[in-house]
Amino acid sequence: GENVEQHPSTLSVQEGDSAVIKCTYSDSASNYFPWYKQELGKGPQLIIDIRSNVGEKKDQRIAVTLNKTAKHFSLHITETQPEDSAVYFCAASTNTGNQFYFGTGTSLTVIP
Amino acid sequence: GAVVSQHPSWVICKSGTSVKIECRSLDFQATTMFWYRQFPKQSLMLMATSNEGSKATYEQGVEKDKFLINHASLTLSTLTVTSAHPEDSSFYICSARDLTGRESYTFGSGTRLTVV
Repeated sequence: GENVEQHPSTLSVQEGDSAVIKCTYSDSASNYFPWYKQELGKGPQLIIDIRSNVGEKKDQRIAVTLNKTAKHFSLHITETQPEDSAVYFCAASTNTGNQFYFGTGTSLTVIP
Repeated sequence: GAVVSQHPSWVICKSGTSVKIECRSLDFQATTMFWYRQFPKQSLMLMATSNEGSKATYEQGVEKDKFLINHASLTLSTLTVTSAHPEDSSFYICSARDLTGRESYTFGSGTRLTVV
């Protein structure tokens, strides 16, 4: 089955700096990669996603890059703000699969 | 966008009692819903896949007689934790997929279960 690894597990950045979270996956059949933000005591919220036919996708301060050959994808947050502080999860899935395989999460702290 | 409502958000129960958690898709129909369990500072662990009108599919190691899942309609799935024990205390999250909309799954807001 799919194995998704996520690094780092914790990340602290100064407000205004950039944050990068990286994930790798093992199943070459995976072709859909969403990123979720989870605040304390709440369910995960989708913040950005990318499909395997695209190498990069950007939405304002958030971007995701995908290297299908190397089987890794990354989340980039620029101009970080305190409200970006949360736990971020990457995930991998296939078109036909119902299951998302989640990374272990990254706790991001943005220091004002 | 697709909205998944989960209720209750927090529940405390005594050991030995049962607790029901509801997951509703508010603006779309979901033939399949998923139940996850999350321990503090850990990732989401898929417990079971809930299929409308049929039996749920449980992941390995999840006791189906303890975690009863019912998906009686296209917008509602319930998870009942039977004979709850303190080790069942956790954060339970459901998700569903709106097949007519975005690819991704929408998650409920989660239920914090504390068994005392």
